[in-house]
Amino acid sequence: EVQLVQSGAEVKKSGESLKISCKGSGFNFANYWVAWVRQVPGKGLELMGIIYPGTSNTRYSPSFQGQVTISADKSMSTAYLQWSTLKASDTAIYYCARQNSVGGDGSGYWISWGQGTLVTVSS
Amino acid sequence: SYVLTQPPSVSVAPGKTARITCGGNNIGSKSVHWYQQKPGQAPVLVIFRDSDRPSGIPERLSGSKSENTASLTISRVEAGDEAVFYCQVWNSDGDHPGVVFGGGTKLTVL
Repeated sequence: EVQLVQSGAEVKKSGESLKISCKGSGFNFANYWVAWVRQVPGKGLELMGIIYPGTSNTRYSPSFQGQVTISADKSMSTAYLQWSTLKASDTAIYYCARQNSVGGDGSGYWISWGQGTLVTVSS
Repeated sequence: SYVLTQPPSVSVAPGKTARITCGGNNIGSKSVHWYQQKPGQAPVLVIFRDSDRPSGIPERLSGSKSENTASLTISRVEAGDEAVFYCQVWNSDGDHPGVVFGGGTKLTVL
């Protein structure tokens, strides 16, 4: 069974750093694009970026370029999303998702989703 | 940047048919995917490539598309269908990932 399991909820203060994770199982993690998606409470879905763990090829949406770092460890079947300096406006639920098929350029659809990680940042 | 436009809300009585639209420039040339998100849950893919259903998704949900509008139709609506639905396309954007989501439509079952 394909699964993406994300790390638990975090409560942080503005200015702190954070790294959250997304561990895949039931498939060859290296061969599928993984996306990170932000959802501010009560709002819609925003793509932050995508990564191909096999090569660590990473592409960021313009709004998130320079604001976060996406990485992956294919040996651990895990993708990461990290912040060096959190802001209150980073308070959101963060989802990882796996693309439908092997390889490609990230232009498929997102067939499996993690359960989400709630990040709360207080000022 | 490419924009997908969805109505913020659609209301329908149980047993009736709901139609949720997703507009975008020349959307007819793109593959459209739909996700359902129930309160407190992660999104779930319900339609891919305009009109295909993943296994486990009821036939009551169907997708269609014309030149500038894609639609998700839910027949014989049930209380359990209440959710926010998002459309999504890929719009090639140089080095940036071209994943674009619509703003979401909240389906309310009266």
